[in-house]
Amino acid sequence: ETGVTQTPRHLVMGMTNKKSLKCEQHLGHNAMYWYKQSAKKPLELMFVYSLEERVENNSVPSRFSPECPNSSHLFLHLHTLQPEDSALYLCASSQRLGQDLSYEQYFGPGTRLTVT
Amino acid sequence: SQQGEEDPQALSIQEGENATMNCSYKTSINNLQWYRQNSGRGLVHLILIRSNEREKHSGRLRVTLDTSKKSSSLLITASRAADTASYFCATDGDTGFQKLVFGTGTRLLVSP
Repeated sequence: ETGVTQTPRHLVMGMTNKKSLKCEQHLGHNAMYWYKQSAKKPLELMFVYSLEERVENNSVPSRFSPECPNSSHLFLHLHTLQPEDSALYLCASSQRLGQDLSYEQYFGPGTRLTVT
Repeated sequence: SQQGEEDPQALSIQEGENATMNCSYKTSINNLQWYRQNSGRGLVHLILIRSNEREKHSGRLRVTLDTSKKSSSLLITASRAADTASYFCATDGDTGFQKLVFGTGTRLLVSP
């Protein structure tokens, strides 16, 4: 798990708070991802950044705002979240080849978010 | 549309037994991958099998792929308690950028 790190590991926030999740990859990859994992649901892809450009936004509410300042770092800014946003948020990275983002992904340990 | 669906949803076996998990998908693929996730942690890539391959091995893992049936299986031989985890298949989806689409997973419990 040292290849992709995430902080914090656990976060409890109120509905009016603003917080940020951080992800860093040390693998030299050129694509990074945010996923949401809720109980008994498939892993949901939220955002994809490739070469620091956002290439995918899967109809994610605007209360989630991603930022990718460089190829090694990815942030997810959170504001005015809802209780149903409580989930495990996973960051991943991979090497994009052309348009192909389907190669193996390396995941961080996740941030367990609880919205009260 | 959801690509991979794993079967069974949960599997409980004794150490030393083999565990078989299946994955079905809906559209054509370039590759299929299997991942493992320990409780509350990130996913770990196990193995990738390409659409022109039928079988692949990695240690105690054996993966098969049948593109005519749009299905794959993951076999873990001589299971250990440490194999207790959720296992997911992932396929490159039927939308742009050939992203990975994950199934809901099989929860495997290996008892000592």
